[in-house]
Amino acid sequence: KAGVTQTPRYLIKTRGQQVTLSCSPISGHRSVSWYQQTPGQGLQFLFEYFSETQRNKGNFPGRFSGRQFSNSRSEMNVSTLELGDSALYLCASSPGTSGRIREQFFGPGTRLTVL
Amino acid sequence: TQLLEQSPQFLSIQEGENLTVYCNSSSVFSSLQWYRQEPGEGPVLLVTVVTGGEVKKLKRLTFQFGDARKDSSLHITAAQPGDTGLYLCAGPGSNQAGTALIFGKGTTLSVSS
Repeated sequence: KAGVTQTPRYLIKTRGQQVTLSCSPISGHRSVSWYQQTPGQGLQFLFEYFSETQRNKGNFPGRFSGRQFSNSRSEMNVSTLELGDSALYLCASSPGTSGRIREQFFGPGTRLTVL
Repeated sequence: TQLLEQSPQFLSIQEGENLTVYCNSSSVFSSLQWYRQEPGEGPVLLVTVVTGGEVKKLKRLTFQFGDARKDSSLHITAAQPGDTGLYLCAGPGSNQAGTALIFGKGTTLSVSS
């Protein structure tokens, strides 16, 4: 079974620009979550999409948005980039069942650098 | 706000040594997971513990969930250079639906030969 894929792997942008990152989950998985990882804050939850609907959202400004398509692929968008948005953006895939056990399978991430 | 605190933050040891990494919270978690992340890659799930007091073994790695489900530990026996990486604990947020996880900031382990 193919794993989670993320594109692109590396991205360099300048302040004020916008960026779109893409994630293809494991086949059959209906939930896609996005996380931001920085050295100072660690892994922080951005949002989760399940069956094309945003099911959960973390504490990030509205400049961060996402969507999910009918084939479960997901994109996240960051508008008006700031230097502090430089981070590793990780996508995680899961079957989607909520509850006590929330095992997630991560992609390799997209390394975003904002200059 | 639920938080997971991991200690130590950094650990540098020689091959063959034993070590323990801790994950603590003031909140009760219904389950906890441990992940390992290598540079340039995403975290890889190692184990999920669900029951208070539970102990799980994965080869040289032993995971324990505290009786009160507020803490967990990871013990590695006879560490090898291949164990090098960032070890993360994570658990489901109690006030969040779906599959959202709260992560600790991790322990960076370096094992030299």
